Parts: sequence; C-alpha cells; structure tokens
Amino acid sequence: GQQLNQSPQSMFIQEGEDVSMNCTSSSIFNTWLWYKQDPGEGPVLLIALYKAGELTSNGRLTAQFGTTRKDSFLNISASIPSDVGIYFCAGVTNSGYALNFGKGTSLLVTP
Amino acid sequence: DGGITQSPKYLFRKEGQNVTLSCEQNLNHDAMYWYRQDPGQGLRLIYYSQIVNDFQKGDIAEGYSVSREKKESFPLTVTSAQKNPTAFYLCATDRGSTEAFFGQGTRLTVV
Repeated sequence: GQQLNQSPQSMFIQEGEDVSMNCTSSSIFNTWLWYKQDPGEGPVLLIALYKAGELTSNGRLTAQFGTTRKDSFLNISASIPSDVGIYFCAGVTNSGYALNFGKGTSLLVTP
Repeated sequence: DGGITQSPKYLFRKEGQNVTLSCEQNLNHDAMYWYRQDPGQGLRLIYYSQIVNDFQKGDIAEGYSVSREKKESFPLTVTSAQKNPTAFYLCATDRGSTEAFFGQGTRLTVV
C-alpha cells in the first residue's frame, strides 16, 4: 500500500484551542477520509472527501482535499475534552482499492 | 441493530496455536477487510474480499488466512506461522464507496 505521512504525531492542548493536522502522500489519491479512534475501539468515520479542493465540515470539524490531490487537512475548532483520541487520515489511490492509513495523530485535551 | 460484530474482544493464544477471529456484518456490504494495528502505527491491511468466495492478500498477509463463504462473514485465522501476532485486529466493511466502517476490534495476545 501507499505510505501516508501524518503530522503531528501528537498534540497536547488546552480546552478551547483550535487544532490542525495534515496528511501527505507521494501518490495522487482519489479519496481522503478522516477517522477518530477511542482507546480499545474501532475507528469511526468523521469526514469523507472525494474531490480536489473540496472543503467539508462536520460540526466543529473541517477537512479539505488538497488541490494537488496528494494532501489533506483536518481542523478542529474550540476543542473539548471528548475530542481526545487518535485521528487517522486514510485514502485510496487511482490504482488501489483498500484504504491506506497514516500513523495517526494522538490528541490530548486538558480542561 | 445494524453493524459489524467482532468476537471475541480479547483473545489469548499460546505460541504455536492457530486462532480464529470472527467478523460478522448485517449491513449487506459486499466488501470486507481485515486490518492489524500495532501501538503508534497506522492500520495495515492483511486481507480483503470484494465478493463471496473471493479474497485478496493485503500488505501483510503472511501468517494469516481467511475465508468468505457467506456475504455476512469474513473470519481471520492467525496461524502459527505468524511470528509476532500480538496486536489489535480490526474488521471493516464498505458498500463500494470506499467509506469503510469498522468493528470494535479484537485484541490478541500471545502468552
């Protein structure tokens, strides 16, 4: 599979702060997805992006499909303690079928 | 209740034993996947199946086997040939849109 570079690896922030994380690839992707995983659970889909330049929101979360089709960004505004978890980017290339995953961004939020 | 059910949630295996992880879905999705997750790592694809009686190797298939005799079921066997089987195993499905939905996971530990 294709390797996705996700950064930062971890973030430790205060409640109310905004958060940004990103994901890059050396290959062009047709689809970018963002998932959140709570400890000991399976990942849950947050946002799906299908078109270069697309900007999509889900509550306090906003994600963008980069115009080069090789990157994606996720922003979380006004973070709250329940935002704690690991956030994964995932994508599918032109020639691929199954999702390729980044290594995740671990988010800790202090009250 | 619609969803993906993985069982058991925790599994202990002695060295040299084969064990089978169950994944059942009632979402009527054609595609099913098995991923392995290690601490600090992203999800790595073991096997996937796009249709009944057909499956393909993923990036780390060695030491694993699967079957897809029914649309609802995609069990994963971790064989004794898998030298480092301790990990968190995740089953996923999608309906062809690449938006994968995950089960709750099975944590396998070798004792």
